[in-house]
Amino acid sequence: GQQLNQSPQSMFIQEGEDVSMNCTSSSIFNTWLWYKQDPGEGPVLLIALYKAGELTSNGRLTAQFGITRKDSFLNISASIPSDVGIYFCAGPGRPNFGNEKLTFGTGTRLTIIP
Amino acid sequence: EAGVVQSPRYKIIEKKQPVAFWCNPISGHNTLYWYLQNLGQGPELLIRYENEEAVDDSQLPKDRFSAERLKGVDSTLKIQPAELGDSAVYLCASSRGGFEQFFGPGTRLTVL
Repeated sequence: GQQLNQSPQSMFIQEGEDVSMNCTSSSIFNTWLWYKQDPGEGPVLLIALYKAGELTSNGRLTAQFGITRKDSFLNISASIPSDVGIYFCAGPGRPNFGNEKLTFGTGTRLTIIP
Repeated sequence: EAGVVQSPRYKIIEKKQPVAFWCNPISGHNTLYWYLQNLGQGPELLIRYENEEAVDDSQLPKDRFSAERLKGVDSTLKIQPAELGDSAVYLCASSRGGFEQFFGPGTRLTVL
């Protein structure tokens, strides 16, 4: 089946630093979604990307749909304590003819060091 | 707009006991999903409903898991009997169709 690999697996940064993470797929994706999950909560949708090369921002977050359609990137600028959590990429993978089944990545755990 | 509501938030049971989880999706969202999330992993789809019809239940272990969405709104996921390996977070999500899914807080199940 399709697999989404996220890198890095975990990050330890200081407040104010910029963050970059990526997600790669073994097959072409038509849509990329980025979610954030806080401890004890469900994932929250951050950004959705629908077109190869697309660059979309949501506040301090910026995500890009890779032109190969097999990868996506998420950047966080000037990190703050509330950015702590696990970031998941997700997508429906190969053309799915109306099936909205999402495959989720392995997650990137972001920790801010005091 | 109220989000996806799930209950209970936490459940502890002994193995071989039955357990049920309830989900109320966002108003107007016809598509409802149940996901399983094991510790340290991303969510994995168990079942997807379009209104009251289960359109994708290929990942649902049907020997012990069942789900229903009788009136096309609320949904219940049941496990009977529960096994130790069922300990996980059970997430419900909803959407208007398309790929943008909105998740509830989840039910954390512990099977002893």
